[in-house]
Amino acid sequence: DAKTTQPTSMDCAEGRAANLPCNHSTISGNEYVYWYRQIHSQGPQYIIHGLKNNETNEMASLIITEDRKSSTLILPHATLRDTAVYYCIALTGGGNKLTFGTGTQLKVEL
Amino acid sequence: DTAVSQTPKYLVTQMGNDKSIKCEQNLGHDTMYWYKQDSKKFLKIMFSYNNKELIINETVPNRFSPKSPDKAHLNLHINSLELGDSAVYFCASSRYVNRGRVGELFFGEGSRLTVL
Repeated sequence: DAKTTQPTSMDCAEGRAANLPCNHSTISGNEYVYWYRQIHSQGPQYIIHGLKNNETNEMASLIITEDRKSSTLILPHATLRDTAVYYCIALTGGGNKLTFGTGTQLKVEL
Repeated sequence: DTAVSQTPKYLVTQMGNDKSIKCEQNLGHDTMYWYKQDSKKFLKIMFSYNNKELIINETVPNRFSPKSPDKAHLNLHINSLELGDSAVYFCASSRYVNRGRVGELFFGEGSRLTVL
């Protein structure tokens, strides 16, 4: 599965959109992009995933560039409860082993 | 109802002891996992079972033995505990395996193991 690169940390003001980037320049055509988050001391939580089209659900939006080499997770109106480590993971379509990297520590502040 | 539940949540024990962590999921999923998160917060997969069959076995010492009595349960037994086994162990389950994508994983709240 392709390696992903994320910034170590980001800050966001409450109520503003949080845009978390992820680079996956070596991603192959059958690899999905998954996003998870881990709020302190809790188990990781699935957020969203996509292949090449942009995706949106009740939690977030996922924007994947046309060349699929990078993506952005958007939390439209960040709240304090969104403070967490966010993981971007590339996974082969037939794969079943999510490999977590170091992620981005998002801190949402007043 | 908790979807993926682990017990115990905290476990403190001495080196050399044997201990078990239990996991149960009520989501009707076919696949279950054990992940380990060490003190540096790296989250690594250890094992995965699909319908009681072991499908992923990462480089984990033989002292760790998963047991799946049925597809709703995946227990982790650890023999001869060592200091380095101290970590948070997460159980997870998912619906899709070998059907084109892994689907979303549902994680438990973790079991914090401290070996003294």
